[in-house]
Amino acid sequence: IAGITQAPTSQILAAGRRMTLRCTQDMRHNAMYWYRQDLGLGLRLIHYSNTAGTTGKGEVPDGYSVSRANTDDFPLTLASAVPSQTSVYFCASSDSSTELNTGELFFGEGSRLTVL
Amino acid sequence: GQNIDQPTEMTATEGAIVQINCTYQTSGFNGLFWYQQHAGEAPTFLSYNVLDGLEEKGRFSSFLSRSKGYSYLLLKELQMKDSASYLCAVLQGNYQLIWGAGTKLIIKP
Repeated sequence: IAGITQAPTSQILAAGRRMTLRCTQDMRHNAMYWYRQDLGLGLRLIHYSNTAGTTGKGEVPDGYSVSRANTDDFPLTLASAVPSQTSVYFCASSDSSTELNTGELFFGEGSRLTVL
Repeated sequence: GQNIDQPTEMTATEGAIVQINCTYQTSGFNGLFWYQQHAGEAPTFLSYNVLDGLEEKGRFSSFLSRSKGYSYLLLKELQMKDSASYLCAVLQGNYQLIWGAGTKLIIKP
């Protein structure tokens, strides 16, 4: 089934550890995004990528890094996790690199991360 | 500042109609999205409005007034499966979406 796959679905992590959340899509979408979702707050954009080889910072990029070596994969890395990074992380993609308003966002099922 | 406001929670009865409002103040506007999110699941696309007026799609309709910074999502003939959170988001530029915190809709039999 076409779509976006995230891994792991859930993880408990000690503070200070390094963690990479994986995201793979098979829809050949140019644009990909990482959001975090916290109770009582809207989805907040961490990083995005318009096309393979390019990335950009979103609203809350500090403490996170991304790479886009190819069209399909967009991993999110926490270099040294802190408790405030406890959240649900969603990867998403869209079918246009520069005009999100031509289409919808497709989301992965989310990765629930707890940092102790 | 940038702000998107939605009610935190609403309750409605199965078979009835409910209107979920969204007001926004953003530095740019390239359209407004509504998404549905069931508990523990990913958001899924419902509608997109960029021009003023009503867009109807089956039991769901979405309205936009750009001059008032206002949108609503109208759900008709409510079903139990419509119990979910409804997220309003404004597109700024080409890819920056500003999201509201979502409205949790509870449907009672």
